[in-house]
Order: sequence, then C-alpha cells, then structure tokens
Amino acid sequence: EAQVTQNPRYLITVTGKKLTVTCSQNMNHEYMSWYRQDPGLGLRQIYYSMNVEVTDKGDVPEGYKVSRKEKRNFPLILESPSPNQTSLYFCASRVLGTYYEQYFGPGTRLTVT
Amino acid sequence: ILNVEQSPQSLHVQEGDSTNFTCSFPSSNFYALHWYRWETAKSPEALFVMTLNGDEKKKGRISATLNTKEGYSYLYIKGSQPEDSATYLCAFSNTGNQFYFGTGTSLTVIP
Repeated sequence: EAQVTQNPRYLITVTGKKLTVTCSQNMNHEYMSWYRQDPGLGLRQIYYSMNVEVTDKGDVPEGYKVSRKEKRNFPLILESPSPNQTSLYFCASRVLGTYYEQYFGPGTRLTVT
Repeated sequence: ILNVEQSPQSLHVQEGDSTNFTCSFPSSNFYALHWYRWETAKSPEALFVMTLNGDEKKKGRISATLNTKEGYSYLYIKGSQPEDSATYLCAFSNTGNQFYFGTGTSLTVIP
C-alpha cells in the first residue's frame, strides 16, 4: 500500500530533551516536506526536500533540523524542544512537478512540557 | 509569508443542499493551487491540483474553478451528503516547492 508513515504518533516530552520524529514514504517520491498545524492557523511549512541531500527552509524552520540521507526518509529533529513547539506535525511527499498532489502521513501529536 | 484566505470559516448545510467556498491567494507568481479534504482524526487527502487560469476540475459531486488573474478558487459541492462533512483546505504555491495553506472551511452536513 502506498503510504507515508510517521513515528511516533503521540509524544509527550520535556523542554530541552532532543527528539526525532521519523517520516518514511514508499512511493519513490522526490519531494518531502514537514508541516505543523496549530489551532487557528493553517498548516505551516517547516522544511522541505526536493531530493536526497537537498533541503530548504519553509516558513517556520526555527528550532528544527532535517536530513535527507535516503530518498524514502525525512526525519524531523528537535534539538532542544520548547513548549511553543507543542503542535500537530504532518509529513508529506509528492512527485516533483507541477501537477502532483501531496500525500500526508497520519500526523504526530507532540506535547512539550 | 504569503497570505491565503478561505471563507467562510465554517458552514452548516442540510443534506441535499449545494454549497461553495472560496480560497483567495496572491495573484502574482502563481504556480499551483491545491485543494485538500481533511476529516477529523485523519490526514489531509488531495482533491484537486489546479495549475492554469480557467481550470475547472471535477470529482463526483465536487468541483473546483480557478482564476489566477484575480487570485481566487471556488470549491463547489453539489447535493451535500453527511459524509462530505470535513475541513476543506486550499494550498497556494508560487514555486512548486513551498506551499501556503489557508485555515480551511469546516463543513458540517446535517442529515
């Protein structure tokens, strides 16, 4: 089944404790992206990647890191999480090109206390 | 940060009614406009990718139009059904790599 997977789905952590949210897709998509969803705001793009070893900042990259060492994986790293990073996070992937939609993972609910 | 606005914020309609909502986006440097359907506790699913001014797309009872010159897209649902209840998101892209989402229109169809 074609899908984007994220782990963990739910995470409660404390301020300053490094964490990684994994994202993997099995559709051979070049493009991958991370978004966060907060109440009253639209999905906001954190980082995106157009291919292996090619990453770029979205609108809200502060406090996040990403890497793209393999085509299928695009982990999101929070080196020192803070409470304002409490959010619902979505990973997405798509074929690179004009006409292609994004496929979203199931979401990761992160709470930083 | 580019501004993408959706209206109305929420909508309640009776089963069988037809409805429509709007997505407004910058009229310059247009690349694509995506529509997504987002059900509670699920992830957004793509409805349409619109790329050309005047585009009209249709999927069953749902259709969408695009006006890039004036910066808006309409989503129409004909004969709404309870299973159409969801939040409908639009996402504007000016480069194909960065996407700017609206806050969505929450549709509730009352049986």
